[in-house]
Amino acid sequence: GESVGLHLPTLSVQEGDNSIINCAYSNSASDYFIWYKQESGKGPQFIIDIRSNMDKRQGQRVTVLLNKTVKHLSLQIAATQPGDSAVYFCAEGRAQKLVFGQGTRLTINP
Amino acid sequence: DTGVSQDPRHKITKRGQNVTFRCDPISEHNRLYWYRQTLGQGPEFLTYFQNEAQLEKSRLLSDRFSAERPKGSFSTLEIQRTEQGDSAMYLCASSFSGQLAGYEQYFGPGTRLTVT
Repeated sequence: GESVGLHLPTLSVQEGDNSIINCAYSNSASDYFIWYKQESGKGPQFIIDIRSNMDKRQGQRVTVLLNKTVKHLSLQIAATQPGDSAVYFCAEGRAQKLVFGQGTRLTINP
Repeated sequence: DTGVSQDPRHKITKRGQNVTFRCDPISEHNRLYWYRQTLGQGPEFLTYFQNEAQLEKSRLLSDRFSAERPKGSFSTLEIQRTEQGDSAMYLCASSFSGQLAGYEQYFGPGTRLTVT
């Protein structure tokens, strides 16, 4: 039969604008959190991680914010470029196991 | 190329056949993970190894699934008596455990399995 994927949340931004991708996680006991980027036909690519005892971490053009009170994680991408188009997943880590969220598809408008 | 590699990249098989996938991790990484990803979903953890020891396998989907890492380097994932529901992308990842290690797992390109 036909295989139908679940509809991913989507975010469309203008090239050059900042993007904010949000994620709600489930387990307050998670030790760390990671954002991954996945382009079509490829495996997930590591972007940035954050320990559970931190609330902010910055990388090159990216910032991750962690709000443990409401179990919310966000990824901010500055000056979004066409190459940022992908599906973005947050993952929560417990011991050596990653539990991935559903993902958000980011599209860039020229 | 020093990243995680997986072979084959695509596999089409008939229902009831056995399939085996191979993963070669980044050479200095002692941890190796298997995940499954279906369309529109995030990767789902299956199992992981530290060196040759399989430390977590409770998430393997059924007793038809098994994984090995006999020499602590490459790993294989076997699915016996494949079913159409096994159709998915099978991802391998590796990481380094050590005093200065981070949390990141590095993923390979995946093996896409189609069961007809």
